[in-house]
Amino acid sequence: EPEVTQTPSHQVTQMGQEVILRCVPISNHLYFYWYRQILGQKVEFLVSFYNNEISEKSEIFDDQFSVERPDGSNFTLKIRSTKLEDSAMYFCATLAPTGNYEQYFGPGTRLTVT
Amino acid sequence: AQSVTQLDSHVSVSEGTPVLLRCNYSSSYSPSLFWYVQHPNKGLQLLLKYTSAATLVKGINGFEAEFKKSETSFHLTKPSAHMSDAAEYFCVVSFTGGADGLTFGKGTHLIIQP
Repeated sequence: EPEVTQTPSHQVTQMGQEVILRCVPISNHLYFYWYRQILGQKVEFLVSFYNNEISEKSEIFDDQFSVERPDGSNFTLKIRSTKLEDSAMYFCATLAPTGNYEQYFGPGTRLTVT
Repeated sequence: AQSVTQLDSHVSVSEGTPVLLRCNYSSSYSPSLFWYVQHPNKGLQLLLKYTSAATLVKGINGFEAEFKKSETSFHLTKPSAHMSDAAEYFCVVSFTGGADGLTFGKGTHLIIQP
């Protein structure tokens, strides 16, 4: 069964540094998403991406965040200048083209900002 | 306002006894509803989904959920708990599908006593 993959599984970075989190979506899925889960809290929607542009974004997704699909395969989330509060698990998800709104989640990247 | 509420942050049951995890939603529309499970240090796995077909939905690992529009509820049940069911369970709603991200409840931590 096809699955969403994410790399790295764990990223440690210093405050102020830039990080890029990578996702490889399922090949025939058209909508892509990033979610964030701060330790002990619920999963929160960050952004959705369709046809090479942002479709929707939450208030969390401010100017320090950006997304792109640089090579038609990877889907990336860039955090320009990381803050301590960016430490979280970041999940990539893709929408199945079946009309039932089912999203497939990757295993996540745990980002630790020190 | 559209929201999803999981009524219990923790539920503890004995192995072999029934499980009930409660979820209510608030929406002006007919939503799509999901339950996802997250085992420790793992990603999000879809347990089951409701998308306006049968109101009683069967999922993986013996879990079921019933959509009750009059009560705006989508409670998750299992007749007999197993130790491997210990995990975090998220009730998730898609209010419009597509571009909008999923809305997660805060999660219910299911503890299975031997």
